[in-house]
Amino acid sequence: DTGVSQDPRHKITKRGQNVTFRCDPISEHNRLYWYRQTLGQGPEFLTYFQNEAQLEKSRLLSDRFSAERPKGSFSTLEIQRTEQGDSAMYLCASSLGSVSYEQYFGPGTRLTVT
Amino acid sequence: GENVEQHPSTLSVQEGDSAVIKCTYSDSASNYFPWYKQELGKRPQLIIDIRSNVGEKKDQRIAVTLNKTAKHFSLHITETQPEDSAVYFCAASPNYGGATNKLIFGTGTLLAVQP
Repeated sequence: DTGVSQDPRHKITKRGQNVTFRCDPISEHNRLYWYRQTLGQGPEFLTYFQNEAQLEKSRLLSDRFSAERPKGSFSTLEIQRTEQGDSAMYLCASSLGSVSYEQYFGPGTRLTVT
Repeated sequence: GENVEQHPSTLSVQEGDSAVIKCTYSDSASNYFPWYKQELGKRPQLIIDIRSNVGEKKDQRIAVTLNKTAKHFSLHITETQPEDSAVYFCAASPNYGGATNKLIFGTGTLLAVQP
């Protein structure tokens, strides 16, 4: 499968714990995006990278959230001190960037904070 | 700030009928407008998109129209089939420097095609 992949697919954690998600973009896609989707809503933009540079962060992204893309390939999204309001589907997407507008999504990581 | 409104929130049609979903956007810098289909428990799938230098684009049973002056765009599905049943999201992207940035999504339309 050469599409965007995410790991894990599901994560259940207790309030206050830290969690980390991984996204592997489509090979050679230099732009990588993180979105959050809650039930009945469209995805909300969190942050994006061009290669290893983080170019924009949403105001939704509190300082408990941090994202990295150290070598310009896979990315990680970490949430520290999780809260029940963090429960959502975390989606990753990738695009070719300057040569293509299309963003392709991964299957998502469903986070449940108990 | 950027905002995308989408209507209707639910749409039920008979198999073979047409379905139309409408979106409006607020940021006049937006110049890329994709549509995604999301089945229950699955990832959003890009089904069609349009750029602001084009007024209409068609791909088999699916078409998208864009009115930049009015800041609205629409998805048209003809000859609907039960497998078209899903949630459809529109999105708009302010596009600086020739490469898409973030997508601002609408709230989705649940389309149900009755056999």
